[in-house]
Amino acid sequence: DAGVIQSPRHEVTEMGQEVTLRCKPISGHDYLFWYRQTMMRGLELLIYFNNNVPIDDSGMPEDRFSAKMPNASFSTLKIQPSEPRDSAVYFCASHLYGAPEAFFGQGTRLTVV
Amino acid sequence: GENVEQHPSTLSVQEGDSAVIKCTYSDSASNYFPWYKQELGKRPQLIIDIRSNVGEKKDQRIAVTLNKTAKHFSLHITETQPEDSAVYFCAASNTGFQKLVFGTGTRLLVSP
Repeated sequence: DAGVIQSPRHEVTEMGQEVTLRCKPISGHDYLFWYRQTMMRGLELLIYFNNNVPIDDSGMPEDRFSAKMPNASFSTLKIQPSEPRDSAVYFCASHLYGAPEAFFGQGTRLTVV
Repeated sequence: GENVEQHPSTLSVQEGDSAVIKCTYSDSASNYFPWYKQELGKRPQLIIDIRSNVGEKKDQRIAVTLNKTAKHFSLHITETQPEDSAVYFCAASNTGFQKLVFGTGTRLLVSP
């Protein structure tokens, strides 16, 4: 297995534009997490899914952020409209129930100018 | 919900010294405590973990201790080497290993 795959690796966009980040979890994993990493706040849990269903989205900063998981092998995190303070590295991670190690993707570095 | 606090935020040691990073958690239902290492520009990766039925776990130069009564756990690195330089994150998870909440990270710098 290639591990958790995120795309794009880097994204530079202008303020106000829509941004979509993509994640493919490890095959067979039933939990998927989206994290945001900044120097000030570390790794913040934004939302997580179990069997494609959103379980806890309390970490989503505001309505400009939305996430979907249409099937077991794909998830998106969308920011619309984007703002400079959204600049961060966004990680996707997955794990299997009962096997608690979370495997992270390589992250997407988002820069909003 | 769970809240994990981590200290210190930065730690500088000389090669060969020991390093200790401490974390506290708030939810008494948490029962799984992993530690992740993140090298510059890379993804976090699990280095050691401990479950609530164990008080200490060792793996070569690294060890983790857990005090459930006080709700704190610590990472100990002995005989530090320059390649140990990285950001270390502690985390806590509830029953079923569902929601993993991270601390804010400790930047460890090991000087030769």
